[in-house]
Amino acid sequence: QQQVKQSPQSLIVQKGGISIINCAYENTAFDYFPWYQQFPGKGPALLIAIRPDVSEKKEGRFTISFNKSAKQFSLHIMDSQPGDSATYFCAATFQGAQKLVFGQGTRLTINP
Amino acid sequence: DAMVIQNPRYQVTQFGKPVTLSCSQTLNHNVMYWYQQKSSQAPKLLFHYYDKDFNNEADTPDNFQSRRPNTSFCFLDIRSPGLGDAAMYLCATSRDLGVRSNQPQHFGDGTRLSIL
Repeated sequence: QQQVKQSPQSLIVQKGGISIINCAYENTAFDYFPWYQQFPGKGPALLIAIRPDVSEKKEGRFTISFNKSAKQFSLHIMDSQPGDSATYFCAATFQGAQKLVFGQGTRLTINP
Repeated sequence: DAMVIQNPRYQVTQFGKPVTLSCSQTLNHNVMYWYQQKSSQAPKLLFHYYDKDFNNEADTPDNFQSRRPNTSFCFLDIRSPGLGDAAMYLCATSRDLGVRSNQPQHFGDGTRLSIL
């Protein structure tokens, strides 16, 4: 019940296309859902995050869509660029929790 | 400027030879975390400190220990490294527990540990 399931494991998108990464969770206590971006040789960096009281959050080309009833959330990268090539992790936590629960990660490659 | 600094970036040690990895932070955050990340996997939490209180994950091997002598520094000690301990070790901080939108975890760039 603590798991966050992420898909796909890897994704290849053409430059300018839309990249979509999906995550699903079971624990309804989760109330904070961040996405982390990790480049090779670097630590993960917070990209964008959402709470379940909103269905969508947009920051630049990055959008999180959240479906509370389905217990799913997804990251959309519009106009994907080669510089977006990285591994993306979704995560979840709840107030009072002592840790993040990470998804398995998605390796995104944007072809020029 | 880097806010969570890990040294060294690369560490090579011999099988069974103790090794210490270090982490420092300039954020004055209360919580410091140590993660292990193996290739193509998500970070796996080993333990964390909330101020001076140490919290070990249930499945963290006894081989892994940690010290936090002050707010800014935290160390990861691997007493007898095995081949399976080769990984990237990530340090992270957060202002408080219960990670929320205004208290994200800030990660360092990690130390890649190799075992000969």
